[in-house]
Amino acid sequence: KQEVTQIPAALSVPEGENLVLNCSFTDSAIYNLQWFRQDPGKGLTSLLLIQSSQREQTSGRLNASLDKSSGRSTLYIAASQPGDSATYLCAVTSRYNTNAGKSTFGDGTTLTVKP
Amino acid sequence: ETGVTQTPRHLVMGMTNKKSLKCEQHLGHNAMYWYKQSAKKPLELMFVYNFKEQTENNSVPSRFSPECPNSSHLFLHLHTLQPEDSALYLCASSSQGGRGPYEQYFGPGTRLTVT
Repeated sequence: KQEVTQIPAALSVPEGENLVLNCSFTDSAIYNLQWFRQDPGKGLTSLLLIQSSQREQTSGRLNASLDKSSGRSTLYIAASQPGDSATYLCAVTSRYNTNAGKSTFGDGTTLTVKP
Repeated sequence: ETGVTQTPRHLVMGMTNKKSLKCEQHLGHNAMYWYKQSAKKPLELMFVYNFKEQTENNSVPSRFSPECPNSSHLFLHLHTLQPEDSALYLCASSSQGGRGPYEQYFGPGTRLTVT
C-alpha cells in the first residue's frame, strides 16, 4: 500500500525567504507525482506535475524535484510572499497492481509567510 | 465556463434526506474522480470513472452512490448519511492514456454538513 508523508506539517517563515517542502513515498512504482496548493475551504490548485521519467519541473518561483529511487520529492519556493500562504499537498499516482491509477495524498504542509 | 465546476458549494442535510452532488468538467478529459476531505485527514479517493466506466470503488459505503452519464458529468447521490460523513467533497478530472493518468484538475468542492 502506498504511503505518502509530508514534512514539516507546518512552516512559518518571513517574507522573502527561500524554502523547501518535503514529500516521501513508500512505493516507487509511480506514474507521476503532483504538487497542489489548497487555500482554506477551497479546492486544490495544481502547481506542478512530474512524470516518473522526469527529475524536475519548474514554474515561476516553484521548482519540484523527484528522486524515484529514494522515494522523495521536494518543492522549492523562492523568494516567498504572503500570498504563498496555503496548504501544500503532494500526491503520488501508483502504477501497478491494486493501486494502479490511484492517487495517494500526503497530509500536507501548511505554510505561513509573514510580511 | 472553464475547468471543473461543482454544485452546490454548500449543503446541509439531515440524516434521512436524499441529495445529489454534481460535477462538470469542461476540459475534454476522460477520467473523473470523487474525493473526500475530512478535517485532519488526508484526501481520500472514493470513486474513479474512466470513459464513463467505474474503475475504482475505494470501499465506500453504499449510502454514497456515484453516477457518470457521460465523460463530462459526474454525480454523487447521498442518502441516509451519518454525521461523520460531513466533509469537503472534491471532484477532479484528468486524461488517461497508455502512459497512465495525467494531471488532475480539481473543482472548488462541496462543503457537506450532516445534522
